[in-house]
Amino acid sequence: AQSVSQHNHHVILSEAASLELGCNYSYGGTVNLFWYVQYPGQHLQLLLKYFSGDPLVKGIKGFEAEFIKSKFSFNLRKPSVQWSDTAEYFCAVNWGGKLIFGQGTELSVKP
Amino acid sequence: DAGVIQSPRHEVTEMGQEVTLRCKPISGHNSLFWYRQTMMRGLELLIYFNNNVPIDDSGMPEDRFSAKMPNASFSTLKIQPSEPRDSAVYFCASRSGQSNQPQHFGDGTRLSIL
Repeated sequence: AQSVSQHNHHVILSEAASLELGCNYSYGGTVNLFWYVQYPGQHLQLLLKYFSGDPLVKGIKGFEAEFIKSKFSFNLRKPSVQWSDTAEYFCAVNWGGKLIFGQGTELSVKP
Repeated sequence: DAGVIQSPRHEVTEMGQEVTLRCKPISGHNSLFWYRQTMMRGLELLIYFNNNVPIDDSGMPEDRFSAKMPNASFSTLKIQPSEPRDSAVYFCASRSGQSNQPQHFGDGTRLSIL
């Protein structure tokens, strides 16, 4: 069965630092990958998605993610974080019509 | 556009009581998902429907949990009887078209069982 691993449980950064959050999935083949963000007390919102084509995907708010098939990875990046990026970030893969989520990474950005 | 609408936003009740959570998906979406989020277990899929039909309920924790989707614009998740360990945030999400499309989440119901 498919599983998703997010290796960083809690990341603390200062404003303007660069961000990279790891995401690995376990089963290869054709995959659809997503990153969602959950701001404190809010629902999950889609940041970006990968279906096919260019493995470098750009999303909202300056986020991007790179799909590396050989590494089963879909890491999320942002060159310069802001305090408002403080949130929990979830990686997910589409599997059998449903989303399999990672356990989430909590990002805290210090002003 | 109205998003996924869940009610109530907060529910506090005593153990043993019946709890009913409600969800209205985005109009035109044909798939609906119920999730539970806790600190310990993260985000768990409980059940999902395609065209009002339950497809996968393997995530429903016990027989105390049941979900229905009587029509395309409404779904309920019921817990009877409720227990303190059911305390969590319950999210509903909906999706249109093919299974590779993103899901859209509601604001959730924060459930506290005393």
